Amino acid sequence: DVKVTQSSRYLVKRTGEKVFLECVQDMDHENMFWYRQDPGLGLRLIYFSYDVKMKEKGDIPEGYSVSREKKERFSLILESASTNQTSMYLCASSKTGNTEAFFGQGTRLTVV
Amino acid sequence: AQSVTQPDIHITVSEGASLELRCNYSYGATPYLFWYVQSPGQGLQLLLKYFSGDTLVQGIKGFEAEFKRSQSSFNLRKPSVHWSDAAEYFCAVARGSQGNLIFGKGTKLSVKP
Repeated sequence: DVKVTQSSRYLVKRTGEKVFLECVQDMDHENMFWYRQDPGLGLRLIYFSYDVKMKEKGDIPEGYSVSREKKERFSLILESASTNQTSMYLCASSKTGNTEAFFGQGTRLTVV
Repeated sequence: AQSVTQPDIHITVSEGASLELRCNYSYGATPYLFWYVQSPGQGLQLLLKYFSGDTLVQGIKGFEAEFKRSQSSFNLRKPSVHWSDAAEYFCAVARGSQGNLIFGKGTKLSVKP
């Protein structure tokens, strides 16, 4: 069974903290994505990666960075968390040439 | 610019009734289209997808969708809704071939007993 695993389901962090959200996939997919989901706004793409050490900005990259040191792992980094980054974060992966994306369970991040 | 519009924010149907969720897209070329479902507190699960060929696509859980190029629509249907179908539904279009998706804002489905 295909699997995208996000390290935390729920996270509470303080304003100004550096926050790491981790995502691992076991499908040997080349492409990985980080989305943010907010009520009434749907899912918006933050960053994505087509290969190890490669990254591309999505639609809302401000305040975020990413790291992809290994093919199976894609990390989202909030350098200095702010309350407006309180949200649900969803990781996804896909195989090149196949647009179907597989999603993790999501991390609900609260910044206080 | 590419975009996806789901006109209905919230729909309530009675159990056993038919369902149609609307989706309109804006895309220059032949679109790759998807419907995903999200149960509360969960990730997204793919219901069905359209890449090419037959414009009526069958998916999991008894869902189907019809691609209509002339109307730029990809509406999701189910003939008889079950209480377990209560969830949020997202329509999406692919940007390129790597799984980079543009999502609509979602339609929340409630099911009355």
